[in-house]
Amino acid sequence: AQTVTQSQPEMSVQEAETVTLSCTYDTSESDYYLFWYKQPPSRQMILVIRQEAYKQQNATENRFSVNFQKAAKSFSLKISDSQLGDAAMYFCASYSGGGADGLTFGKGTHLIIQP
Amino acid sequence: DTGVSQDPRHKITKRGQNVTFRCDPISEHNRLYWYRQTLGQGPEFLTYFQNEAQLEKSRLLSDRFSAERPKGSFSTLEIQRTEQGDSAMYLCASSLVRHYNEQFFGPGTRLTVL
Repeated sequence: AQTVTQSQPEMSVQEAETVTLSCTYDTSESDYYLFWYKQPPSRQMILVIRQEAYKQQNATENRFSVNFQKAAKSFSLKISDSQLGDAAMYFCASYSGGGADGLTFGKGTHLIIQP
Repeated sequence: DTGVSQDPRHKITKRGQNVTFRCDPISEHNRLYWYRQTLGQGPEFLTYFQNEAQLEKSRLLSDRFSAERPKGSFSTLEIQRTEQGDSAMYLCASSLVRHYNEQFFGPGTRLTVL
């Protein structure tokens, strides 16, 4: 079984500043994937960034990047130059190869952007 | 194709009634997932289909829940004899087999059981 833990229920950052959201996970699988999803208020969940566990290089998507520490089972999300539109719930999720059980999500971090 | 769609977006029902939700995945996606999300929690996996075959069911999916994907396209999720504890957001997601790790989510159906 996989578990995902997000220890920050809420984070606040000033517009244009950088913020890091934490995530730890546990899995017995050797082949797995990690994701950050964004869920804006009353809107659907969208994929922000993903990381294949076999890749050592940290994934980057524009202002979003991850710090993947495989040995520590840590997968944090860094948002640079925060914008008002980044305000949302952010969920960390894991997925093992084979398709069984779907995604395992953490409880989420509510990100507030202060103008 | 504009993405995954779900219908209805909101459903209010009385305890003991049956409800059915529909999900239309992205047209070429052969995998379809159902999740349940309660307030303040992340989504929890319920079940998934590959084409028309239901391949996995979570222990969360009690006997009152049934899901179908009759022609490998849209899917329905039915809850019989609803209980107040069934109140939640029901999310559908779809993916391609070769990109099974990238799931696209619909807007969800919010169920309120009175």
